[in-house]
Amino acid sequence: DTEVTQTPKHLVMGMTNKKSLKCEQHMGHRAMYWYKQKAKKPPELMFVYSYEKLSINESVPSRFSPECPNSSLLNLHLHALQPEDSALYLCASSRTGATQETQYFGPGTRLLVL
Amino acid sequence: GNSVTQMEGPVTLSEEAFLTINCTYTATGYPSLFWYVQYPGEGLQLLLKATKADDKGSNKGFEATYRKETTSFHLEKGSVQVSDSAVYFCALTTIQGAQKLVFGQGTRLTINP
Repeated sequence: DTEVTQTPKHLVMGMTNKKSLKCEQHMGHRAMYWYKQKAKKPPELMFVYSYEKLSINESVPSRFSPECPNSSLLNLHLHALQPEDSALYLCASSRTGATQETQYFGPGTRLLVL
Repeated sequence: GNSVTQMEGPVTLSEEAFLTINCTYTATGYPSLFWYVQYPGEGLQLLLKATKADDKGSNKGFEATYRKETTSFHLEKGSVQVSDSAVYFCALTTIQGAQKLVFGQGTRLTINP
């Protein structure tokens, strides 16, 4: 089973709202990732967790707050977002985070900020 | 820095045509190379990968060979189907870049029956 699940599939929020995106995998992977994808663009890395510790933050604004409660679960907490944050948010996982490993992607959460 | 350049799309072909999508890269060290595919409204799926020079990745009739001398990883398929219509991303990772996937801009492929 190489499935990464993400909820919700779609999310509409106002600029003053607080919401969370959830990502789950049961492949025993120890590296998990958040990517942001704007329309007709490639995904851009936001955060990487390795063994439940934040290992990479690609200078993401603090209105995005990641959390890794356990090795299977990754959350992205959203607060005071801007309309330009509207995008597809993709979660991915890999076995240990080594360079040659495949990253398995979820279907994404499509976020609209009004 | 590390980068990936893909041929510009969109690419439109007829069913059963031969497909090539060019991909070249710039990287320090010896990157691992990937092709991912994104179907409409979905996330990315790994199509194939190669982790060292001269390796050939293959899957679902698609092939790509890791060419270190030309820093290329071109995607090919001998006979495309309508169901191959999607966006294709070439990507790399390097030891120096840790776990970061560096993507090309993507090539939108449309196959007409």
